[in-house]
Amino acid sequence: AQSVTQLDSQVPVFEEAPVELRCNYSSSVSVYLFWYVQYPNQGLQLLLKYLSGSTLVKGINGFEAEFNKSQTSFHLRKPSVHISDTAEYFCAVRRMDSSYKLIFGSGTRLLVRP
Amino acid sequence: SQTIHQWPATLVQPVGSPLSLECTVEGTSNPNLYWYRQAAGRGLQLLFYSVGIGQISSEVPQNLSASRPQDRQFILSSKKLLLSDSGFYLCAWSVLGGNLNTEAFFGQGTRLTVV
Repeated sequence: AQSVTQLDSQVPVFEEAPVELRCNYSSSVSVYLFWYVQYPNQGLQLLLKYLSGSTLVKGINGFEAEFNKSQTSFHLRKPSVHISDTAEYFCAVRRMDSSYKLIFGSGTRLLVRP
Repeated sequence: SQTIHQWPATLVQPVGSPLSLECTVEGTSNPNLYWYRQAAGRGLQLLFYSVGIGQISSEVPQNLSASRPQDRQFILSSKKLLLSDSGFYLCAWSVLGGNLNTEAFFGQGTRLTVV
């Protein structure tokens, strides 16, 4: 079975500073990788996804993530955060075989301070 | 375009009462459908998923059940709610078959408080 670990439950950062949200996964087969954002009392919105090809993936709102197969990681980064980036961020994986399950990490709350 | 509707947005129910949360998808056929629960301070736990009408897979033993009476309708139910059933429930859909690399699309969620 696959699993997703987000080591940081909360990441405080000042506005305009860079940020990295960490995600590690475990799976016996290759996986597709996703990052979602959740604003308070709302559903999840896709930020970006890694399917194949270039290991650096660019998403919406200036976010990007890098797939590292040897380290089984998919860390999310943004060079300069805004107050509006304050939200919960979830990493997720789906197996490349016939599984339809999308498994999420426990989430990281990004708190951007002025 | 595809849309997903989930209701109600908030719900307060007494312990021991029944539950029915409904989710419908528009603009697509034969979607995969999912129910997730998000407890306070915790991540998203997959409760049920369905790849077709009447086909339900349960991920964890619990006080809840799910049904898919129509292709684009997914219902989460309980006969008797427990305090531990409180949480934020999210319905989601994704494309069935073919491109397994597609993401899931989420509804706006239902905040359930069991008192």
